[in-house]
Amino acid sequence: EDKVVQSPLSLVVHEGDTVTLNCSYEVTNFRSLLWYKQEKKAPTFLFMLTSSGIEKKSGRLSSILDKKELFSILNITATQTGDSAVYLCAVSHQAGTALIFGKGTTLSVSS
Amino acid sequence: NAGVMQNPRHLVRRRGQEARLRCSPMKGHSHVYWYRQLPEEGLKFMVYLQKENIIDESGMPKERFSAEFPKEGPSILRIQQVVRGDSAAYFCASSPPWGTNTEAFFGQGTRLTVV
Repeated sequence: EDKVVQSPLSLVVHEGDTVTLNCSYEVTNFRSLLWYKQEKKAPTFLFMLTSSGIEKKSGRLSSILDKKELFSILNITATQTGDSAVYLCAVSHQAGTALIFGKGTTLSVSS
Repeated sequence: NAGVMQNPRHLVRRRGQEARLRCSPMKGHSHVYWYRQLPEEGLKFMVYLQKENIIDESGMPKERFSAEFPKEGPSILRIQQVVRGDSAAYFCASSPPWGTNTEAFFGQGTRLTVV
């Protein structure tokens, strides 16, 4: 059965800290892995990763995929209170229409 | 250019009533996906529709749930005879005709509470 597991489930940090969120997966015919940020409303797209070892970067956020070990990490440097949200990892497979989501990591950044 | 619009944002229904959730895709999008998010759970795929066609309903419960995406108007997710376990956030996503689920944009969701 296809599955996506995120860790930790929740995390509390202070402003300025660096955090690493993990996502491991078991999916047949993997196509891509996606990261979303959800702040009590619509999940908003962050990154899509299809190739191993190529880091994607957007401001203080970055992500990388390891297709051999079947995991991805999302890094956030110099965290701010506005980074507080649920971070969702999802995987798509070649022939499927559904995205398979993990349960998310709830990040709380305190000032 | 408005995003994916879902309404209502919040819906309260008594057990046994019907719930109708609406999703208007982004302009130019003809593919719609519905997901359900139970408390403390990730989003679970329910159904994928194109205009007037259900393409994949492998995630839909076999009873009480139905979805449509007519030629004109929004996509509708209908839940008949709601039960407490249907309480959840229901998200819709849309993608353009050439797109796939990875190019989909999400709406803000409808939070259904069954009392």
